[in-house]
Amino acid sequence: DAGITQSPRHKVTETGTPVTLRCHQTENHRYMYWYRQDPGHGLRLIHYSYGVKDTDKGEVSDGYSVSRSKTEDFLLTLESATSSQTSVYFCATHLDGGSTDTQYFGPGTRLTVL
Amino acid sequence: QKEVEQDPGPLSVPEGAIVSLNCTYSNSAFQYFMWYRQYSRKGPELLMYTYSSGNKEDGRFTAQVDKSSKYISLFIRDSQPSDSATYLCAMRSHNQGGKLIFGQGTELSVKP
Repeated sequence: DAGITQSPRHKVTETGTPVTLRCHQTENHRYMYWYRQDPGHGLRLIHYSYGVKDTDKGEVSDGYSVSRSKTEDFLLTLESATSSQTSVYFCATHLDGGSTDTQYFGPGTRLTVL
Repeated sequence: QKEVEQDPGPLSVPEGAIVSLNCTYSNSAFQYFMWYRQYSRKGPELLMYTYSSGNKEDGRFTAQVDKSSKYISLFIRDSQPSDSATYLCAMRSHNQGGKLIFGQGTELSVKP
């Protein structure tokens, strides 16, 4: 698992509520990613980080923001949750300079927005 | 049209069968191709990695890349019930860093 934890693992919230998901890694990997997984869509990249305070948008970034103040933590925030953001969220890290392109995934957070 | 297309299945086979999983893609710049396996309620884990065209074998698993047809395959020989999972193809081009484009995933069930 490359020492990746996600919290919370499950969350139910209401529309309009802010939500923050946390990804924590112990491997000192430079790159970190947030994906969402939905039936029929596979994994889609939301945001990614290539270092502390260095982040960029992915394919489906609208309605999401991220922050990375420490190497080991990457936070995903839904400013005002909507039902369309009900999904399973995965964090991943990437070994800097790794030749095998291995992305290590966390266990996921199952988010339900009512 | 999605950059990477993968038949979502579900695919059900008897134990011992040969399984063929496939993805097609549209971006000719893709050079790195991966297969991830995802067990139910778990995160994906890397199964196979191939650079450019050709075959790669690892035990019962063989990955093939045909860049001329923009088509990649994963073969599982002597399939086992423990192979039951969702298989996701992923790929990227040289200049995209670690950003991967995933297929939709194929759900495989191997029946004893």
